[in-house]
Amino acid sequence: DIQMTQSPSSLSASVGDTVTITCRPSQIIHSYLNWYQHKPGKAPHLLISTASSLQRGVPGRFSGGGSGTEFILTITGLQPEDFATYYCQQSYQTPRTFGQGTKVE
Amino acid sequence: EVQLLESGGGLVLPGGSLRLSCVASASNFSNQAMTWVRQAPGKGLEWVSVISGGGGATYYVDSVKGRFSISRDKSKNSVFLQMSSLTVEDTAIYYCAKGDFFGLDVWGQGTAVIVSS
Repeated sequence: DIQMTQSPSSLSASVGDTVTITCRPSQIIHSYLNWYQHKPGKAPHLLISTASSLQRGVPGRFSGGGSGTEFILTITGLQPEDFATYYCQQSYQTPRTFGQGTKVE
Repeated sequence: EVQLLESGGGLVLPGGSLRLSCVASASNFSNQAMTWVRQAPGKGLEWVSVISGGGGATYYVDSVKGRFSISRDKSKNSVFLQMSSLTVEDTAIYYCAKGDFFGLDVWGQGTAVIVSS
Protein backbone atom coordinates (compact mmCIF):
# COMPACT_ATOMS: atom_id res chain seq x y z
CA ASP A 1 0.00 0.00 0.00
CA ILE A 2 1.10 3.58 -0.62
CA GLN A 3 1.72 5.44 2.63
CA MET A 4 0.88 9.13 2.63
CA THR A 5 2.82 11.29 5.08
CA GLN A 6 1.54 14.78 5.79
CA SER A 7 3.43 17.45 7.62
CA PRO A 8 2.91 19.10 9.91
CA SER A 9 0.20 17.19 11.77
CA SER A 10 -1.04 20.48 13.18
CA LEU A 11 -0.18 24.13 12.91
CA SER A 12 -1.20 27.36 14.53
CA ALA A 13 -1.96 30.25 12.21
CA SER A 14 -3.73 33.59 12.13
CA VAL A 15 -6.12 35.19 9.70
CA GLY A 16 -4.14 36.55 6.78
CA ASP A 17 -1.26 34.10 7.13
CA THR A 18 0.03 31.92 4.33
CA VAL A 19 -0.14 28.24 5.26
CA THR A 20 1.73 25.40 3.56
CA ILE A 21 1.00 21.70 4.05
CA THR A 22 3.20 19.00 2.57
CA CYS A 23 2.22 15.50 1.52
CA ARG A 24 4.78 12.84 0.66
CA PRO A 25 3.68 9.50 -0.78
CA SER A 26 5.88 6.46 -0.25
CA GLN A 27 6.14 5.92 -4.00
CA ILE A 28 5.62 7.89 -7.17
CA ILE A 29 1.96 8.63 -7.80
CA HIS A 30 2.44 11.01 -10.75
CA SER A 31 -0.26 13.65 -10.28
CA TYR A 32 -2.96 11.47 -8.74
CA LEU A 33 -3.12 13.55 -5.59
CA ASN A 34 -6.22 15.17 -4.13
CA TRP A 35 -6.72 17.59 -1.24
CA TYR A 36 -9.74 17.78 1.06
CA GLN A 37 -10.94 20.11 3.78
CA HIS A 38 -12.85 18.58 6.68
CA LYS A 39 -14.69 20.40 9.42
CA PRO A 40 -16.18 18.68 12.50
CA GLY A 41 -19.67 17.39 11.93
CA LYS A 42 -19.54 18.06 8.19
CA ALA A 43 -18.71 16.00 5.14
CA PRO A 44 -15.22 16.38 3.70
CA HIS A 45 -14.93 18.79 0.78
CA LEU A 46 -12.74 18.30 -2.28
CA LEU A 47 -10.53 21.35 -2.82
CA ILE A 48 -8.00 20.24 -5.41
CA SER A 49 -7.73 17.21 -7.66
CA THR A 50 -4.82 15.84 -9.69
CA ALA A 51 -2.35 17.86 -7.63
CA SER A 52 -3.23 21.33 -8.88
CA SER A 53 -6.74 21.47 -10.36
CA LEU A 54 -8.87 23.76 -8.23
CA GLN A 55 -12.43 22.55 -7.90
CA ARG A 56 -15.25 24.83 -9.05
CA GLY A 57 -16.35 27.15 -6.30
CA VAL A 58 -13.18 26.78 -4.24
CA PRO A 59 -11.59 30.16 -3.49
CA GLY A 60 -8.44 31.07 -5.34
CA ARG A 61 -6.47 31.42 -2.12
CA PHE A 62 -6.15 27.62 -2.22
CA SER A 63 -3.51 26.22 -4.54
CA GLY A 64 -1.79 22.89 -5.02
CA GLY A 65 1.46 21.84 -6.60
CA GLY A 66 4.08 19.18 -6.82
CA SER A 67 4.43 15.83 -8.49
CA GLY A 68 5.97 12.43 -7.98
CA THR A 69 6.68 12.13 -4.29
CA GLU A 70 6.14 15.62 -2.91
CA PHE A 71 2.99 17.71 -3.03
CA ILE A 72 2.05 20.99 -1.40
CA LEU A 73 -1.22 22.66 -0.48
CA THR A 74 -0.94 26.41 0.03
CA ILE A 75 -3.54 28.72 1.54
CA THR A 76 -2.62 32.32 0.80
CA GLY A 77 -4.35 34.74 3.12
CA LEU A 78 -6.01 32.42 5.62
CA GLN A 79 -9.66 33.24 6.31
CA PRO A 80 -11.69 32.40 9.44
CA GLU A 81 -13.62 29.70 7.56
CA ASP A 82 -10.37 27.93 6.64
CA PHE A 83 -9.69 26.63 10.15
CA ALA A 84 -10.20 22.90 9.59
CA THR A 85 -8.34 19.64 9.04
CA TYR A 86 -6.81 19.04 5.63
CA TYR A 87 -6.15 15.65 4.07
CA CYS A 88 -4.24 14.55 1.02
CA GLN A 89 -5.25 11.37 -0.79
CA GLN A 90 -3.61 9.40 -3.57
CA SER A 91 -5.82 7.99 -6.30
CA TYR A 92 -3.05 6.23 -8.22
CA GLN A 93 -3.46 2.78 -6.71
CA THR A 94 -5.90 0.91 -4.49
CA PRO A 95 -6.29 1.22 -1.58
CA ARG A 96 -6.59 4.95 -2.24
CA THR A 97 -4.91 6.03 0.99
CA PHE A 98 -5.29 9.31 2.84
CA GLY A 99 -2.66 11.18 4.77
CA GLN A 100 -3.14 11.43 8.52
CA GLY A 101 -4.43 14.98 8.30
CA THR A 102 -3.17 18.46 9.19
CA LYS A 103 -5.20 20.47 11.65
CA VAL A 104 -5.06 24.21 11.06
CA GLU A 105 -5.95 26.02 14.27
CA GLU B 1 -27.64 20.39 -6.48
CA VAL B 2 -26.88 16.69 -6.55
CA GLN B 3 -26.89 15.07 -3.14
CA LEU B 4 -26.00 11.75 -1.56
CA LEU B 5 -27.88 10.38 1.42
CA GLU B 6 -26.57 7.50 3.49
CA SER B 7 -28.63 5.29 5.77
CA GLY B 8 -28.42 1.98 7.57
CA GLY B 9 -26.01 2.81 10.35
CA GLY B 10 -26.66 1.93 13.94
CA LEU B 11 -25.56 -0.03 16.97
CA VAL B 12 -24.54 -3.63 16.35
CA LEU B 13 -22.94 -6.36 18.40
CA PRO B 14 -19.44 -7.57 17.59
CA GLY B 15 -19.71 -10.25 14.94
CA GLY B 16 -22.92 -8.75 13.61
CA SER B 17 -23.85 -7.36 10.21
CA LEU B 18 -25.17 -4.12 8.76
CA ARG B 19 -26.04 -2.93 5.27
CA LEU B 20 -25.37 0.69 4.47
CA SER B 21 -27.19 2.41 1.63
CA CYS B 22 -26.35 5.55 -0.29
CA VAL B 23 -28.96 7.10 -2.56
CA ALA B 24 -28.14 9.75 -5.13
CA SER B 25 -30.64 12.47 -5.92
CA ALA B 26 -29.85 12.40 -9.64
CA SER B 27 -29.71 9.59 -12.14
CA ASN B 28 -26.51 10.87 -13.75
CA PHE B 29 -24.61 9.20 -10.94
CA SER B 30 -25.37 5.83 -12.42
CA ASN B 31 -22.18 5.75 -14.52
CA GLN B 32 -19.86 7.23 -11.93
CA ALA B 33 -17.51 5.35 -9.64
CA MET B 34 -18.69 5.44 -6.03
CA THR B 35 -16.52 5.22 -2.93
CA TRP B 36 -17.00 4.55 0.77
CA VAL B 37 -14.77 6.35 3.27
CA ARG B 38 -14.91 6.09 7.05
CA GLN B 39 -13.69 8.05 10.03
CA ALA B 40 -13.27 6.33 13.37
CA PRO B 41 -13.67 8.43 16.52
CA GLY B 42 -10.69 10.73 16.94
CA LYS B 43 -9.01 9.40 13.80
CA GLY B 44 -8.49 10.54 10.25
CA LEU B 45 -10.21 9.57 7.04
CA GLU B 46 -9.82 5.99 5.84
CA TRP B 47 -10.65 4.86 2.32
CA VAL B 48 -12.74 1.66 2.50
CA SER B 49 -13.98 0.59 -0.92
CA VAL B 50 -14.79 1.67 -4.46
CA ILE B 51 -17.07 0.34 -7.18
CA SER B 52 -16.67 1.25 -10.83
CA GLY B 53 -19.32 3.04 -12.81
CA GLY B 54 -20.36 -0.18 -14.47
CA GLY B 55 -20.28 -2.11 -11.22
CA GLY B 56 -17.90 -4.71 -12.61
CA ALA B 57 -14.86 -3.72 -10.61
CA THR B 58 -14.64 -3.47 -6.84
CA TYR B 59 -11.73 -2.84 -4.50
CA TYR B 60 -11.31 -2.87 -0.74
CA VAL B 61 -8.86 -1.87 1.93
CA ASP B 62 -7.19 -4.97 3.36
CA SER B 63 -8.81 -4.63 6.79
CA VAL B 64 -12.31 -5.22 5.36
CA LYS B 65 -11.58 -7.71 2.59
CA GLY B 66 -13.73 -10.80 2.92
CA ARG B 67 -16.06 -9.04 5.37
CA PHE B 68 -17.43 -6.07 3.39
CA SER B 69 -19.06 -6.09 -0.03
CA ILE B 70 -19.85 -3.08 -2.17
CA SER B 71 -22.58 -3.16 -4.80
CA ARG B 72 -24.84 -0.84 -6.72
CA ASP B 73 -28.34 -0.76 -8.15
CA LYS B 74 -28.51 1.69 -11.02
CA SER B 75 -32.29 1.51 -11.22
CA LYS B 76 -32.39 2.92 -7.69
CA ASN B 77 -29.42 5.32 -8.03
CA SER B 78 -28.02 3.50 -5.03
CA VAL B 79 -24.78 2.07 -3.73
CA PHE B 80 -24.58 -0.35 -0.84
CA LEU B 81 -21.97 -1.54 1.63
CA GLN B 82 -22.75 -4.92 3.15
CA MET B 83 -20.71 -5.32 6.32
CA SER B 84 -20.35 -8.56 8.24
CA SER B 85 -18.20 -9.98 11.06
CA LEU B 86 -18.05 -6.47 12.46
CA THR B 87 -15.50 -5.63 15.13
CA VAL B 88 -15.10 -2.63 17.43
CA GLU B 89 -12.45 -1.35 14.99
CA ASP B 90 -15.22 -0.85 12.41
CA THR B 91 -16.88 1.78 14.60
CA ALA B 92 -16.89 4.96 12.52
CA ILE B 93 -18.86 7.47 10.53
CA TYR B 94 -19.25 5.99 7.06
CA TYR B 95 -19.44 8.38 4.11
CA CYS B 96 -20.31 7.57 0.56
CA ALA B 97 -18.82 9.79 -2.11
CA LYS B 98 -18.90 10.14 -5.88
CA GLY B 99 -15.69 9.73 -7.77
CA ASP B 100 -12.38 7.94 -7.76
CA PHE B 101 -9.32 8.84 -9.86
CA PHE B 102 -10.05 12.55 -9.99
CA GLY B 103 -11.07 12.95 -6.40
CA LEU B 104 -14.29 12.52 -4.45
CA ASP B 105 -16.32 15.56 -5.40
CA VAL B 106 -19.71 14.89 -3.82
CA TRP B 107 -20.12 13.47 -0.32
CA GLY B 108 -23.01 12.40 1.82
CA GLN B 109 -23.35 13.56 5.41
CA GLY B 110 -22.38 10.16 6.75
CA THR B 111 -24.02 7.43 8.80
CA ALA B 112 -22.70 6.27 12.16
CA VAL B 113 -21.84 2.63 12.81
CA ILE B 114 -21.18 1.64 16.41
CA VAL B 115 -19.96 -1.86 17.14
CA SER B 116 -20.25 -2.56 20.82
CA SER B 117 -21.42 -5.20 23.26
